[in-house]
Amino acid sequence: GQSLEQPSEVTAVEGAIVQINCTYQTSGFYGLSWYQQHDGGAPTFLSYNALDGLEETGRFSSFLSRSDSYGYLLLQELQMKDSASYFCAVLNQAGTALIFGKGTTLSVSS
Amino acid sequence: GAVVSQHPSWVICKSGTSVKIECRSLDFQATTMFWYRQFPKQSLMLMATSNEGSKATYEQGVEKDKFLINHASLTLSTLTVTSAHPEDSSFYICSARRDRGDTEAFFGQGTRLTVV
Repeated sequence: GQSLEQPSEVTAVEGAIVQINCTYQTSGFYGLSWYQQHDGGAPTFLSYNALDGLEETGRFSSFLSRSDSYGYLLLQELQMKDSASYFCAVLNQAGTALIFGKGTTLSVSS
Repeated sequence: GAVVSQHPSWVICKSGTSVKIECRSLDFQATTMFWYRQFPKQSLMLMATSNEGSKATYEQGVEKDKFLINHASLTLSTLTVTSAHPEDSSFYICSARRDRGDTEAFFGQGTRLTVV
């Protein structure tokens, strides 16, 4: 089955840069996704990496190394509104449903 | 982006009663939808895959007779929690993608179920 590991908590100050790592073990790999979820809200899509390398979208970037079964989400110029939970996710073996990591709670302070 | 709407956003029910949660894709047809459960400060756990016109596929450990899923149309899937108990209190979220090959999943706003 699929399993993902990521840190449970990260804290940072406004304007800083933070990196959230994710390692995974999968039967079949279709790519690594990242989702953001604010308290009580729905997860929203941030990024997706199917190939090795860095994908940049504004203040957020995501990296994947398939040989290391590892990826990370990089958040730059942190803002208070970035305080949320961040989940890495992969598709299940059938390639249909997302399986999520345990999530990393990011707290941004002023 | 695509919109997935979930209703109700919260519900309180008495122990032993059943609760139905609806998940609709508003601007696309979804032959497959997914139901997740999330306890406070925890991850989203996949409960089942809802398939339009056929039986749902349940994850290991999820009781199919307790969590009834119906996907009667291309835009609507329902999850019914039958004979609810306090331990069923949780945040239930549905999800869908426009196409099987789509990399982005869209989520409903979630339903917070409290069983008293």
